Amino acid sequence: GIQVEQSPPDLILQEGANSTLRCNFSDSVNNLQWFHQNPWGQLINLFYIPSGTKQNGGLSATTVATERYSLLYISSSQTTDSGVYFCAVASNNNDMRFGAGTRLTVKP
Amino acid sequence: DGGITQSPKYLFRKEGQNVTLSCEQNLNHDAMYWYRQDPGQGLRLIYYSQIVNDFQKGDIAEGYSVSREKKESFPLTVTSAQKNPTAFYLCASGIAGALSEEQFFGPGTRLTVL
Repeated sequence: GIQVEQSPPDLILQEGANSTLRCNFSDSVNNLQWFHQNPWGQLINLFYIPSGTKQNGGLSATTVATERYSLLYISSSQTTDSGVYFCAVASNNNDMRFGAGTRLTVKP
Repeated sequence: DGGITQSPKYLFRKEGQNVTLSCEQNLNHDAMYWYRQDPGQGLRLIYYSQIVNDFQKGDIAEGYSVSREKKESFPLTVTSAQKNPTAFYLCASGIAGALSEEQFFGPGTRLTVL
């Protein structure tokens, strides 16, 4: 199956700082999603982005499908951005594979 | 409100007992999924269903069973055959029929085996 690697595994930021999270995957995909898991465990959809670039507020994402990676940019981070960020991918059979996540802590 | 609901939020079970986790959605999605999350890890697929009365095993189906009698409902039973059932269980739904689909998640159920 597809392998998904996320980096870095842990990230600590000061409020207001910017950061980039990376997701590498081992095969071509039809589906790529970024999620934010809050402290209560809820997975919140950030982006559905199998290719291209999207922006939503202080977040943006870019997927370069031909090079098998996606980037999530967090600008002007806030304490509420803390949590775990997951990348998940799927190929033709829609068997979605999750990375191990990046744990982000934003300090006031 | 449209969404996915899971119940109960917390569940405690004695070793050797079967337990059923509920997942309901009113998004009119054809596809539904069950995932398991262990501490500090990503999600792993247990079972999925693309249409009523049909479902497929995921990576870690052993010790679990599901049914899909209604489009809105996809209950998961954790049987006594599951050797390490303590985990966080997440249900998701999506639009089936396409090669790719966005999945949406419920709030999850935390199962603890005593």
